[in-house]
Amino acid sequence: GNSVTQMEGPVTLSEEAFLTINCTYTATGYPSLFWYVQYPGEGLQLLLKATKADDKGSNKGFEATYRKETTSFHLEKGSVQVSDSAVYFCALSDGTALIFGKGTTLSVSS
Amino acid sequence: DTAVSQTPKYLVTQMGNDKSIKCEQNLGHDTMYWYKQDSKKFLKIMFSYNNKELIINETVPNRFSPKSPDKAHLNLHINSLELGDSAVYFCASSQGVGYGYTFGSGTRLTVV
Repeated sequence: GNSVTQMEGPVTLSEEAFLTINCTYTATGYPSLFWYVQYPGEGLQLLLKATKADDKGSNKGFEATYRKETTSFHLEKGSVQVSDSAVYFCALSDGTALIFGKGTTLSVSS
Repeated sequence: DTAVSQTPKYLVTQMGNDKSIKCEQNLGHDTMYWYKQDSKKFLKIMFSYNNKELIINETVPNRFSPKSPDKAHLNLHINSLELGDSAVYFCASSQGVGYGYTFGSGTRLTVV
């Protein structure tokens, strides 16, 4: 079945460090790919998305590129801030539901 | 205006009770969902409704029953609550494949 695998956390960084959170997927067909962010005590917010191969999603300094050849959608940010501390979820849509990875907790210290 | 609203935000109840969580969306989306987030933050789809029709019904105990009176509402009824039902339940809606979902702020259910 379809699935998403994310790197295990927690990821601990200093402010202004470079961030990469790895995400790979297994799916039949051509799923749409998403990154969601969950701040403490809140619901999930869509961070960015890509609907076809080689598409790059970007938002708030975060980027991810849909790589069909490596079945990956890694999240990157050039310079993280304390306010980026949250749980990040990679997800795919197979046309019926969003299937999530297990989430990666990011903690940024000043 | 809140796009997807859930009530209540917190729910503490005793084992064996019956409870409901309400969800409403004002986005005009056709599809609504219920997800369960466990203590390790893992999110799992429970149900999906498209225009009031049940589309997805994952392996969920039949003590859980969704009800959709119209396409803007999807409520979740839980009978005979058990300790293992303690979790955060999220409602979401979507306008279609590739658009992503809009999530509510969640209902934290604690069964004691």
